[in-house]
Amino acid sequence: QVQLQESGPGLVKPSETLSLTCTVSGGSISGNYWSWIRQPPGKGLELIAYSYYTGNPYYNPSLTSRVTISVDTARNQFSLILSSVTAADTAVYYCARLVDRPTVAFDYWGQGTLVTVSS
Amino acid sequence: QTVVTQEPSFSVSPGGTVTLTCGLSSGSVSTSHYPSWYQQTPGQAPRTLIYNTNTRSSGVPGRFSGSILGHKAALTITGAQADDECDYYCVLYMGSGIYVFGDGTKVTVL
Repeated sequence: QVQLQESGPGLVKPSETLSLTCTVSGGSISGNYWSWIRQPPGKGLELIAYSYYTGNPYYNPSLTSRVTISVDTARNQFSLILSSVTAADTAVYYCARLVDRPTVAFDYWGQGTLVTVSS
Repeated sequence: QTVVTQEPSFSVSPGGTVTLTCGLSSGSVSTSHYPSWYQQTPGQAPRTLIYNTNTRSSGVPGRFSGSILGHKAALTITGAQADDECDYYCVLYMGSGIYVFGDGTKVTVL
């Protein structure tokens, strides 16, 4: 059973950089796509970015200038960097495995980590 | 920019049937959008219910089914239970590697 676990600081100051890591266990990070999804308090889900394990990332156009996703196959981890954060970036951040066509699904999810942007 | 539309809320009686839909602000949803559906209870991560329009994820009860109804993707809950009271999100593949979440539907069972 594949399991994902997010880690990183729960509080980030405005204008600083948010950095999160997702550790994958119970399966290999190779051969798959990996994604970051966020959910502001009381709101819906938003895809931030995803990447194949070898690279070729996709970024949400509304965030592309501030986001980087990277995959570390040696550590079975992938990471998210979001720069110049504001209060609008306060959200629960989920990592998830994305299964791409012909089967399309975000099939395994982490439990989520709340990141608050505040001074 | 095309928006994925869902009903904001729906109410269903225990044992009743409810159909949630997932549409596009412009155009029709087809199997080529690979509709998938996710269930989220408060404070929990989303859980995959349906993918590829109508394939139930492992362990998902048979009362959940997916389909294309008219020009939208649909999630039907047949025989709703109290545990089904939560939020439901759809995701559509828009081509060119783009996946878009709908805003979600809050289902109340009463």
